[in-house]
Amino acid sequence: GQQLNQSPQSMFIQEGEDVSMNCTSSSIFNTWLWYKQDPGEGPVLLIALYKAGELTSNGRLTAQFGTTRKDSFLNISASIPSDVGIYFCAGPSPSYDKVIFGPGTSLSVIP
Amino acid sequence: GAVVSQHPSRVICKSGTSVKIECRSLDFQATTMFWYRQFPKQSLMLMATSNEGSKATYEQGVEKDKFLINHASLTLSTLTVTSAHPEDSSFYICSATSGGGYSNQPQHFGDGTRLSIL
Repeated sequence: GQQLNQSPQSMFIQEGEDVSMNCTSSSIFNTWLWYKQDPGEGPVLLIALYKAGELTSNGRLTAQFGTTRKDSFLNISASIPSDVGIYFCAGPSPSYDKVIFGPGTSLSVIP
Repeated sequence: GAVVSQHPSRVICKSGTSVKIECRSLDFQATTMFWYRQFPKQSLMLMATSNEGSKATYEQGVEKDKFLINHASLTLSTLTVTSAHPEDSSFYICSATSGGGYSNQPQHFGDGTRLSIL
């Protein structure tokens, strides 16, 4: 079935640094979603991408829908301590009846 | 924005107890709700899809008699873990959407329930 891979698996960065993470799939996706999960809480939707090549920003976050439709990137500029958490990419199943989540990228920000 | 409330946030109980978790959409009608389980340092694993007024659809490997789901109204779905055992200890998260299934409506997540079975 469809699988999503995320890299890196975890990151430790200094406050103020920029962050880049990516998500790749075994098959074509028509929608990419990026969620953030704070410790002990449910995921929160950050950015949704619906078109190949689309570049969308949400504050310091920017995500891009890869032109091959098999990947997506999330960038965080000037990281701050509250950026700590797990970032999941996700996309619809082939039948569009559920969402498939990637394994996540864990981000730690050192003050 | 859309708010999903999940209750309780934490449960600690003895082995053999049945535990009910509620998921409510507070400001929108949720035609579909999803129940996930998440083990430490792992991703969300979909357990079942709950549609209002119909039987839930369970993912492969999830026992429907063990995890009872009821979606009686457009704002409430419940997950009951029957005769819970230590291996059922996990973080259970619900999400809700106003779209049928996935469609183009994003899912809004509750804050999860930490279940610990002693």
